[in-house]
Amino acid sequence: AQKITQTQPGMFVQEKEAVTLDCTYDTSDQSYGLFWYKQPSSGEMIFLIYQGSYDEQNATEGRYSLNFQKARKSANLVISASQLGDSAMYFCAMRHRNTGFQKLVFGTGTRLLVSP
Amino acid sequence: AAGVIQSPRHLIKEKRETATLKCYPIPRHDTVYWYQQGPGQDPQFLISFYEKMQSDKGSIPDRFSAQQFSDYHSELNMSSLELGDSALYFCASSLGRGQYFGPGTRLTVL
Repeated sequence: AQKITQTQPGMFVQEKEAVTLDCTYDTSDQSYGLFWYKQPSSGEMIFLIYQGSYDEQNATEGRYSLNFQKARKSANLVISASQLGDSAMYFCAMRHRNTGFQKLVFGTGTRLLVSP
Repeated sequence: AAGVIQSPRHLIKEKRETATLKCYPIPRHDTVYWYQQGPGQDPQFLISFYEKMQSDKGSIPDRFSAQQFSDYHSELNMSSLELGDSALYFCASSLGRGQYFGPGTRLTVL
């Protein structure tokens, strides 16, 4: 069965430092997509970054980058130069062709706290 | 840029009542999804529509139904509400790679 694992329930980082949030996935499909979302305490789900399984380069979006290691089935999110506003819950998710390439399967999330 | 719109943002209902949640996807997006997020949980997929046809179905209770209309907005209808239905309900839309979520409807069942 397809599964997303986030092993860090909580992470702490100081402002301006970089932080890596771990995500591993399990799928037998060759075609899939990996997502990261940010959920602040207000509740909305904010799309951060996407990586396709056939993308040759790691995805980057501003301060966010995705460290995609296909052989290890990992898709870690790297946030550079952390800001106080980065404090939130972060979810890794996967979409794959076995499910009609539509629905997302989420991990349990990592709560990030950025301190001054 | 236009985002996914959901209404209402908050809803309080009694047990056994019905609720209707509305979603307006990003213009030109062809797929709409509904997710349920219980307290302290990750979002769980309920149902999706592609070009107004149901395209995928998750762990959606039989008491729930959904449809997508000709103007592409979607509604999630929930009947015989139970305490366990209290959750944050998200609508998301996509066209291609990204999947963009609305702000959610927080449903509280008393």
